[in-house]
Formats: sequence, C-alpha cells, structure tokens
Amino acid sequence: NAGVTQTPKFQVLKTGQSMTLQCAQDMNHEYMSWYRQDPGMGLRLIHYSVGAGITDQGEVPNGYNVSRSTTEDFPLRLLSAAPSQTSVYFCASSYSAESSYEQYFGPGTRLTVT
Amino acid sequence: RKEVEQDPGPFNVPEGATVAFNCTYSNSASQSFFWYRQDCRKEPKLLMSVYSSGNEDGRFTAQLNRASQYISLLIRDSKLSDSATYLCVVNFLSGGGADGLTFGKGTHLIIQP
Repeated sequence: NAGVTQTPKFQVLKTGQSMTLQCAQDMNHEYMSWYRQDPGMGLRLIHYSVGAGITDQGEVPNGYNVSRSTTEDFPLRLLSAAPSQTSVYFCASSYSAESSYEQYFGPGTRLTVT
Repeated sequence: RKEVEQDPGPFNVPEGATVAFNCTYSNSASQSFFWYRQDCRKEPKLLMSVYSSGNEDGRFTAQLNRASQYISLLIRDSKLSDSATYLCVVNFLSGGGADGLTFGKGTHLIIQP
C-alpha cells in the first residue's frame, strides 16, 4: 500500500491564482481531512470528510473548497491564492470518525504564494 | 475554549539520558489524548495514546493527570533517532472526528551524541 499520497510536493503560486492540491489514499479509509501547518502554530483543520459525498468545514475553511466524489480521493482547491495561504498542507485519513485520532498523514505539500 | 499548550523547547539532551515533557489542556471535559511524532520536514505520525492509567511502550511512557489537566511523555535511554518534534493532541469530542482534535504546537527534542 502507498498509504496517503499528495501531489505536488512543492508549489509556488502568484496571488490570485487557483490550484488544486491532490490527495489520495489506498487504505479504504472513510475519514479524510486537510490540515495546514504554519511556523509556531499547531496543525489546523481546514476541511474534513466522513465519507464519499460528505464534507464539512474545519477550523480554517475560508479560501478553500473540497469535494469527495470517491472514497480514495480528497482534493483541496484554493480559489484565489493569497500570501496568507503560504503554508505546508497535510492530507490525512483514518479508518472512521471514531478512530480519527489515528490519522495517517501524507508527506505534505509546501505552498508558497507570492 | 480548546487550547493545548506545550513548551516549544528545544530540549537538548545527551544520548542515553531520560527526558520528560508535559502538555497542558484547557478543557476539563477533554475525552482522549495522544502523542504524535514529527520528524523535520516530514508528516506527523501517531506515537502513542495516553490512557488514564498511564501506558508504556518500550522506552516511552505516557501519563495523564486529569486533576491538573496535563499529559506527559517520558523517554528513557534516549537515542539519536528520538530527535524530533513531539505533538500533543487532545480530542475534545466524545464521538470522535478530526474536528474534535486539537494539536499542540510541539516540543522540539534534540538528542546529542
């Protein structure tokens, strides 16, 4: 199993550009989530999904959209990139909501917005 | 209010020593507690859960003090490979769900040869 994969690993955007961060998992996990990690801050939840077709907002959802058309994929879309969205983005999955404490994280995407 | 506080360190510790660090949480109704480990420029990985009775996994011991609202992580006979950032994670919801998880900012540990 590849686990949780994320692409791209690195990305530089200009202010106002849009892009999609890809996330996929091959563990048949129901629960998937997106976090951002900034220096001096803990991981903060952006959006999460309890299963295909169901998504919900986390702590910091503004400026991001998600969809979950399949169990495997959970892309994160930046609608109009801003410098404040410069961060490291982690996708994570877990078997279920009840076991969401055991999150399997992808390797991360390092995003810079200029 | 959901807050998880950790001393950011760094803790510089000689190889073979014992090191311990704490994490305090704000909500006395917090449900469950965990330690994650994050290596430099890598993703976090679950290290261990923290049970009310305390638990041990090899050289690692985690303890919970509900009265004082803190959890601790003790590492015995530290190895160079223990160098990492240790994230304290508190689940504030009883039903699970990532929306109930609050991650601390992490404690940076450096084991020196």
